[in-house]
Amino acid sequence: DAGVIQSPRHEVTEMGQEVTLRCKPISGHNSLFWYRQTMMRGLELLIYFNNNVPIDDSGMPEDRFSAKMPNASFSTLKIQPSEPRDSAVYFCASSPIAGTGSDTQYFGPGTRLTVL
Amino acid sequence: GNSVTQMEGPVTLSEEAFLTINCTYTATGYPSLFWYVQYPGEGLQLLLKATKADDKGSNKGFEATYRKETTSFHLEKGSVQVSDSAVYFCALAKGSSGGYQKVTFGTGTKLQVIP
Repeated sequence: DAGVIQSPRHEVTEMGQEVTLRCKPISGHNSLFWYRQTMMRGLELLIYFNNNVPIDDSGMPEDRFSAKMPNASFSTLKIQPSEPRDSAVYFCASSPIAGTGSDTQYFGPGTRLTVL
Repeated sequence: GNSVTQMEGPVTLSEEAFLTINCTYTATGYPSLFWYVQYPGEGLQLLLKATKADDKGSNKGFEATYRKETTSFHLEKGSVQVSDSAVYFCALAKGSSGGYQKVTFGTGTKLQVIP
């Protein structure tokens, strides 16, 4: 199994530009999570999908952030327009069973975003 | 709300030393508890977990016991290796207002093992 795949691994962009991060979860997993990791705030849950449906987006910082999961094998996180304070490492994680917290989450390698 | 508190790092140890990383939590009821590890440049990966009080999770020489009375889940290893150098995250999973069991992570503790 290839694990959770994220692209790009690194992204450098200028303030005001649109950024799209991509994630391919492990095949057969029903849950997908997007997290943001910064030194100041640690690991924060941005959004949780269950069977491709957004269940909890309370962690999405503001309207500049949006996430989609058009099918079971692909999700995107978009920031438009990007700001320097969005600079962070963004992780995608998937889990085999929907909504069961005792299940292991499998993390991708992350996308390091730098907004100049 | 739910929260996880873990000891500040970095923790620097010599190879073969004993490791303890403290973790305490705040949550109602009986959350599931986890330790995740993050190696440089990689995502988090599950190290061990415990789903009920007095359970002991163990993996790769690491272990942690779910202590309900002290709301703790301290990570221990008897003899660390250089390859254990990483950031360790304590976490809990508990029901949320969204109708699912949300995972809350601690801030992470960096471990550096010196040869």
